[in-house]
Amino acid sequence: GAGVSQSPRYKVAKRGQDVALRCDPISGHVSLFWYQQALGQGPEFLTYFQNEAQLDKSGLPSDRFFAERPEGSVSTLKIQRTQQEDSAVYLCASSTIQGAKSPLHFGNGTRLTVT
Amino acid sequence: AQSVTQPDIHITVSEGASLELRCNYSYGATPYLFWYVQSPGQGLQLLLKYFSGDTLVQGIKGFEAEFKRSQSSFNLRKPSVHWSDAAEYFCAVGDNNNDMRFGAGTRLTVKP
Repeated sequence: GAGVSQSPRYKVAKRGQDVALRCDPISGHVSLFWYQQALGQGPEFLTYFQNEAQLDKSGLPSDRFFAERPEGSVSTLKIQRTQQEDSAVYLCASSTIQGAKSPLHFGNGTRLTVT
Repeated sequence: AQSVTQPDIHITVSEGASLELRCNYSYGATPYLFWYVQSPGQGLQLLLKYFSGDTLVQGIKGFEAEFKRSQSSFNLRKPSVHWSDAAEYFCAVGDNNNDMRFGAGTRLTVKP
C-alpha cells in the first residue's frame, strides 16, 4: 500500500513568507509525528497527534510554528514569517498505535530553504 | 527526558568487512530502542526494534543489535557489509509517552 506522502518535496521561501507543508499518513494510522532535521543532524521532535488531537507540541521551536490534523488523517505544518534558521528537512511519520513505542513510518520529507 | 548518543559521526569500512555502529542511551526505565537507516533523499526506514525479551534482535538486511542494560547500549552490527549499506544510520529511544528521541546519526561509507 501507499506509504507516508509529503508535499512539496522542496520549498524555497523568502524570509518573512509563510509556508505550509502537507503530510498524508498511511491510512488508518492513529499517530502522527512531525520532526525537523537540520543538515548533518538527527531528527528533532516537533509535535505529535493522536487522531485529531495534538497531544504534544513541546518541540515546536516558536509560536511561528503551527500544526493541525483536523480530521485525524492529513496534517499540515505551517511556519509563519519564515527565518533562515527554519531551513531544514521536515519529516512526517505515522504509526498504527499511540505513543513512541511503535515503529514509525516516515515520509521522504520536505526540504525547506529560506533565502 | 531520554537522550541518545552516537559517538561515531562517520565510519568507513571495506565491502565484506564486519560493521558495528555504537549507540548509548540515557533513560530511567526500560526503553524502547530502534535503529533506522536513511539513504540520500529518502525517508527513514526501520531496521529493527527492541521492546523487551531477548536482548539480541534481528532486523532487515542482515542487521542485528544487542541491548546491554549494564552499558546503556544498543549497538548495531552486520557481519559482512555490502556497498548498498552506505547510508546514514540513526539510533532512537522512545518512552512511555509520545517522546521519540534520535541520535545525531552515523554516516557509513563502504569502500570497494
